[in-house]
Amino acid sequence: DAGVIQSPRHEVTEMGQEVTLRCKPISGHNSLFWYRQTMMRGLELLIYFNNNVPIDDSGMPEDRFSAKMPNASFSTLKIQPSEPRDSAVYFCASSEAGVTGELFFGEGSRLTVL
Amino acid sequence: AQTVTQSQPEMSVQEAETVTLSCTYDTSENNYYLFWYKQPPSRQMILVIRQEAYKQQNATENRFSVNFQKAAKSFSLKISDSQLGDTAMYFCAFMSLNTDKLIFGTGTRLQVFP
Repeated sequence: DAGVIQSPRHEVTEMGQEVTLRCKPISGHNSLFWYRQTMMRGLELLIYFNNNVPIDDSGMPEDRFSAKMPNASFSTLKIQPSEPRDSAVYFCASSEAGVTGELFFGEGSRLTVL
Repeated sequence: AQTVTQSQPEMSVQEAETVTLSCTYDTSENNYYLFWYKQPPSRQMILVIRQEAYKQQNATENRFSVNFQKAAKSFSLKISDSQLGDTAMYFCAFMSLNTDKLIFGTGTRLQVFP
């Protein structure tokens, strides 16, 4: 398996623009997680899905952030409008819920908002 | 709410020596998983070792072992025969079996010197 695939790897945009980050989980995994990593706040869980259904979005910072999982093989994290404080590395991870507990991470998307 | 604390922001060790990274956590639950993840400069998160809370025996993976003290809520990572490739950020993480949410500590940056 190719692992968790994220795109883009790097994104530079201007404040106010819409940003869409994409994730393809490992085939057969039924849980998907979005994390944000910054120097100040470390790794924060934004939202996670189980069987394509959002289970906990309490980590989503504000209404500018939204996440969808239209099917088992694809998820998006959207920021609209983007702000400089959104600059971070965004990780997607997937797992087989209730099996081993191990999360498999993508390589992350580094977002810079100017 | 569960919390994970890593009190050592940075550690260093000489090649071939042994180093121990500390982690404590707080939870009222009895069944959970604990993990150590490694994040090298490439930024990919890689699972190092995993411990089920119901197991008294400490987990071991080659040069990596843990000291799991459930009553003290302590979960330290020992790296034996340190190698230059062990240079990375190391994150301790907690997962509740009730929620599948993985909560990370703030990380310890380990530098292995020749």
